[in-house]
Amino acid sequence: DAEITQSPRHKITETGRQVTLACHQTWNHNNMFWYRQDLGHGLRLIHYSYGVQDTNKGEVSDGYSVSRSNTEDLPLTLESAASSQTSVYFCASSEGRVREQYFGPGTRLTVT
Amino acid sequence: QKEVEQDPGPLSVPEGAIVSLNCTYSNSAFQYFMWYRQYSRKGPELLMYTYSSGNKEDGRFTAQVDKSSKYISLFIRDSQPSDSATYLCAMSGGGNYQLIWGAGTKLIIKP
Repeated sequence: DAEITQSPRHKITETGRQVTLACHQTWNHNNMFWYRQDLGHGLRLIHYSYGVQDTNKGEVSDGYSVSRSNTEDLPLTLESAASSQTSVYFCASSEGRVREQYFGPGTRLTVT
Repeated sequence: QKEVEQDPGPLSVPEGAIVSLNCTYSNSAFQYFMWYRQYSRKGPELLMYTYSSGNKEDGRFTAQVDKSSKYISLFIRDSQPSDSATYLCAMSGGGNYQLIWGAGTKLIIKP
């Protein structure tokens, strides 16, 4: 069955370190999204991609970057982790012009 | 003012009750409306999807869209403890495929 996976599921890191969160989907979807979810804020869009070599900033992109070298993967990099980036991160994908997004299980990141 | 407003709850009801969850929005360009369910420590899962106005029913769940009032609802009949979760509304319109999200309503069904 097609699915979307995220790794690691839990990560503890120190302030200032570079961290990369992986997202891999086997749906063959063109569109991929990264969100963070914090209490009181709901889901906030960090970055998104509509295809290979395409990346776009979302509403909370500062301190984060993504790259899309193939259809299946959209890794999210925190260039220099900050305590304010402690959050749960979700990756999602959708097919072409279809609007429904399908989510991964999430990565719980703690920055100490 | 946020584009999508959703009461965060929590909403606590007894088992078997009819539940009504709602979102209001301000952007008249929204055409695609979704409800997601999120269990604790899990990713959101798509529950219902509606295009434009009208009702859609799936088992115990009914999604309703009133574009004239910019108001969408999710009804859950014969609610079960397993329905306890956070329910998020999401919507989209125009030429991009981003979703605009409500903050989510935490629902608790008491046995």
